[in-house]
Amino acid sequence: TQLLEQSPQFLSIQEGENLTVYCNSSSVFSSLQWYRQEPGEGPVLLVTVVTGGEVKKLKRLTFQFGDARKDSSLHITAAQTGDTGLYLCYAGTASKLTFGTGTRLQVTL
Amino acid sequence: NAGVTQTPKFRILKIGQSMTLQCTQDMNHNYMYWYRQDPGMGLKLIYYSVGAGITDKGEVPNGYNVSRSTTEDFPLRLELAAPSQTSVYFCASSRGLAGGGYNEQFFGPGTRLTVL
Repeated sequence: TQLLEQSPQFLSIQEGENLTVYCNSSSVFSSLQWYRQEPGEGPVLLVTVVTGGEVKKLKRLTFQFGDARKDSSLHITAAQTGDTGLYLCYAGTASKLTFGTGTRLQVTL
Repeated sequence: NAGVTQTPKFRILKIGQSMTLQCTQDMNHNYMYWYRQDPGMGLKLIYYSVGAGITDKGEVPNGYNVSRSTTEDFPLRLELAAPSQTSVYFCASSRGLAGGGYNEQFFGPGTRLTVL
């Protein structure tokens, strides 16, 4: 059983569109992170959320941690081609550290 | 600072061969990790270390071994390579345990391994 399920698995949109990516679990986490991975490179941290209900904004990206700290969402406003990549959530308990299943985003002109 | 470095970048192995993937970090991080990423998939944790001399299994440890003799180095050993080990391997490090608080993992560029 996957600890962190992400949806959708794939997303192909045009530049200027908005999108939301979800990361869901049945477990409660003390914190959750979002990483972005570009082709041929390792993941790079975008944000960490630690408080239930917390909302963080990073330019056109808005991250939210669920009230119960079991899920999170990533919303991108007016997507750009530079947003293309694999988006991964990451969380851990004392016994398990895990990445989500990933959402591959393709933004075209 | 170079961050996290990995060697080699690419490698092709024959079934049954062995090899060591090297990983070095210059950030004085206590925690280091090895992940594998199969095509189009997320990352799965193979092994991790909380400090020199201490290692622990992750989600997919079978077929791999690790050691941590220094803070800087965390090599991953593949014994008797199998086609199922064809993957991209990423090493990462963090100051505190990733998944707790604001601890960020810093990743190396990866090693692309093919077993034929």
